[in-house]
Amino acid sequence: ETGVTQSPTHLIKTRGQQVTLRCSSQSGHNTVSWYQQALGQGPQFIFQYYREEENGRGNFPPRFSGLQFPNYSSELNVNALELDDSALYLCASSLSGTGSTGELFFGEGSRLTVL
Amino acid sequence: LAKTTQPISMDSYEGQEVNITCSHNNIATNDYITWYQQFPSQGPRFIIQGYKTKVTNEVASLFIPADRKSSTLSLPRVSLSDTAVYYCLVGDPPYSSASKIIFGSGTRLSIRP
Repeated sequence: ETGVTQSPTHLIKTRGQQVTLRCSSQSGHNTVSWYQQALGQGPQFIFQYYREEENGRGNFPPRFSGLQFPNYSSELNVNALELDDSALYLCASSLSGTGSTGELFFGEGSRLTVL
Repeated sequence: LAKTTQPISMDSYEGQEVNITCSHNNIATNDYITWYQQFPSQGPRFIIQGYKTKVTNEVASLFIPADRKSSTLSLPRVSLSDTAVYYCLVGDPPYSSASKIIFGSGTRLSIRP
């Protein structure tokens, strides 16, 4: 139990549609990161938000966008869905700052299937 | 960010000590080394983190030689529940707000009775 919750847990979309995934961070955490994990692969870093600002991005196109809210919860939005977007999307919260271990606390993920 | 290389898979038996070695030849001076464990259909879970020498916690030990170009995760007396994928990560200091954790392909550890 990490205190990080994601919704929805499963969803099915068709190619070209848009999807919004949500994440509630662990209490007190100021940083949230999103990862995409295809079957049999390691998690791929999408982007990271620190205090509502994006401060790092992986090799993902602009149709992947995000938000972090004042309460540090977060959304991942994906536009113009493609078949290859089918994956487990993981949200992780952490505490950045002096004395932090930087440990990531992951949610259970949202499994997206694009048909 | 330093690239890491680790074995694709390993097999062992219950009660044995398992050592998984990770190579990170291009590690930077400020980089830390972190290991995560992931079970199927779950998010990764933090195991241990270190900068140099040896770190030990209740579940594992992490050995880092002086040149820091490799590290070894040691799991004492493994059980069937240790069957998982283990990721070695190298990156920014953990206290940095710009710290980003990049996962590689991981090592798939299988424990047999």
